[in-house]
Amino acid sequence: DVKVTQSSRYLVKRTGEKVFLECVQDMDHENMFWYRQDPGLGLRLIYFSYDVKMKEKGDIPEGYSVSREKKERFSLILESASTNQTSMYLCASWTLASYEQYFGPGTRLTVT
Amino acid sequence: TQLLEQSPQFLSIQEGENLTVYCNSSSVFSSLQWYRQEPGEGPVLLVTVVTGGEVKKLKRLTFQFGDARKDSSLHITAAQTGDTGLYLCAGDSSNDYKLSFGAGTTVTVRA
Repeated sequence: DVKVTQSSRYLVKRTGEKVFLECVQDMDHENMFWYRQDPGLGLRLIYFSYDVKMKEKGDIPEGYSVSREKKERFSLILESASTNQTSMYLCASWTLASYEQYFGPGTRLTVT
Repeated sequence: TQLLEQSPQFLSIQEGENLTVYCNSSSVFSSLQWYRQEPGEGPVLLVTVVTGGEVKKLKRLTFQFGDARKDSSLHITAAQTGDTGLYLCAGDSSNDYKLSFGAGTTVTVRA
């Protein structure tokens, strides 16, 4: 079974703090994604990576950056957290060999 | 504007009833996926459809991909309380690495 894990289930940070969200997958997938999910807006893509050290902006990259130093790990960084970044953050991985994207359990981030 | 429009947004039915959720777009998709998400958890993949007109069945769930590959439906027969959740459709329209998601349909099955 594909397993995607995220470092924290719940996180509370203060405005202006630097925040790191970690994601690890164990299926050797090339592609990894970071989404945020907000009520009524569905899932919105922040960044994705199709290979180590490669990254591409998604639909809402402002205020975020990413790092992919190893194939299995994809990190999302909030350089200076703001209250409008309070959200559910979901990491996912997939391989083009199957059209199947697998999600982690999510991190509920609250910025106060 | 969502690339994929899901309807209805909310659905509440009695256990044992049937329901259908729709996913529509003006774009053509190479593949379309359905997920179910429970509160506080990540979405779990239910099915992937890739061929126009394709029908897939998973126990009481039937998934259909439109002939033109622009729309899909999910039908649940004899719903159970365990079917409660947020149902999301997602499509790959450009054969790149990205999926576009619908906003979801919240299904509540009452005992």
